[in-house]
Amino acid sequence: QVQLQESGPGLVKPSQTLSLTCTVSGGSISSGSYYWSWIRQPAGKGLEWIGRIYTSGSTNYNPSLKSRVTISVDTSKNQFSLKLSSVTAADTAVYYCARSITIFGVVTYFDYWGQGTLVTVSS
Amino acid sequence: EIVMTQSPATLSVSPGERATLSCRASQSVSSNLAWYQQKPGQAPRLLIYGASTRATGIPARFSGSGSGTEFTLTISSLQSEDFAVYYCQQYNNWPPLMYTFGQGTKLEIK
Repeated sequence: QVQLQESGPGLVKPSQTLSLTCTVSGGSISSGSYYWSWIRQPAGKGLEWIGRIYTSGSTNYNPSLKSRVTISVDTSKNQFSLKLSSVTAADTAVYYCARSITIFGVVTYFDYWGQGTLVTVSS
Repeated sequence: EIVMTQSPATLSVSPGERATLSCRASQSVSSNLAWYQQKPGQAPRLLIYGASTRATGIPARFSGSGSGTEFTLTISSLQSEDFAVYYCQQYNNWPPLMYTFGQGTKLEIK
């Protein structure tokens, strides 16, 4: 059973960089069949996809966040990470990591999710 | 960007009754649509993918239909554990490549 677990600081100051790591267990992050994403959800609001990474390091980002987002992968640790720079209060949210499966080369839905971690941006 | 619009925002239904939730895409996403259930304090759970295929372990009372721009999630006989927020999500992969979710439908007990 694949499990994903987010970790990182729960409080970040405005203008600083938010950094989170997702540790994958029960399967290899290097499997060629999966992409690994970050998704966030402000309190009481909907879901926003932030970006994704493939095991090769290839990334895609939400255009609205692209200038501030970096996602990286460390296959030796079975982890992938998120960095979001120049944060403001609007970046306060629960951050999820999730896996999406490729079917015939098409990257699809999110079948496994982490439990989520709350990050608050405040001085 | 493909915009996903869900209706209604809140749906009040009695246990045992049928619930029908709608999701509309601003342009065709073919059958590249998933539905998720989210309970308070929990991560979303995949229910349906490919617009109509139930994910592993999802009860048969959940069904999805539609293609193109109009989609429906139907819960045939509501159980107490089904009251939650439901999101649709497109994964059409057309440029600009990004996934988008609907704003959610809250299914509450009537």
